Amino acid sequence: DTGVSQDPRHKITKRGQNVTFRCDPISEHNRLYWYRQTLGQGPEFLTYFQNEAQLEKSRLLSDRFSAERPKGSFSTLEIQRTEQGDSAMYLCASVQGRDTQYFGPGTRLTVL
Amino acid sequence: GQQLNQSPQSMFIQEGEDVSMNCTSSSIFNTWLWYKQEPGEGPVLLIALYKAGELTSNGRLTAQFGITRKDSFLNISASIPSDVGIYFCAGQPVTDKLIFGTGTRLQVFP
Repeated sequence: DTGVSQDPRHKITKRGQNVTFRCDPISEHNRLYWYRQTLGQGPEFLTYFQNEAQLEKSRLLSDRFSAERPKGSFSTLEIQRTEQGDSAMYLCASVQGRDTQYFGPGTRLTVL
Repeated sequence: GQQLNQSPQSMFIQEGEDVSMNCTSSSIFNTWLWYKQEPGEGPVLLIALYKAGELTSNGRLTAQFGITRKDSFLNISASIPSDVGIYFCAGQPVTDKLIFGTGTRLQVFP
């Protein structure tokens, strides 16, 4: 257990529905990252926050995706109008200072 | 998205054998990291490397940060069944986001 938690661990949804995932980082960590991992691949960067500010977004993050970290603590990742191609593991990682990134257990999304 | 070249893609070895895997990039990184991932879980950090040429060990694991800063390797000595999993390298450029390799799937037979 790295201290980073994610909820839910699994989500099955129908195409077109909206889903929201939550990440709770290690409490003193000021930077929080979201990655997406498809089957057989390594994780790919989506976006990251320093405190409550979203500082970078990948081109992978289409207009249907939005992430927030309103109080600089937990973060949410919402996907609107889900598509089958959104099926993946969504991973959250947190870091403090120059330390390395510690990952949560991930949320596995299946879009039917 | 960008992924690093990691080889081999998979390995099937007998318990007690040594394992070696490597990762190459066309870009220079400031940090190289090695993670292990088991089914249904997030990646777990094994070793972090911060300087070119650095050689670091963690138990039976040894990793090196290549001199050119474009490659890294991971060795596992005397493998055991619990070493089974997928091993990922990750390079970290200045901007902090990690760029992962394609993974090496390790299977250890007793």
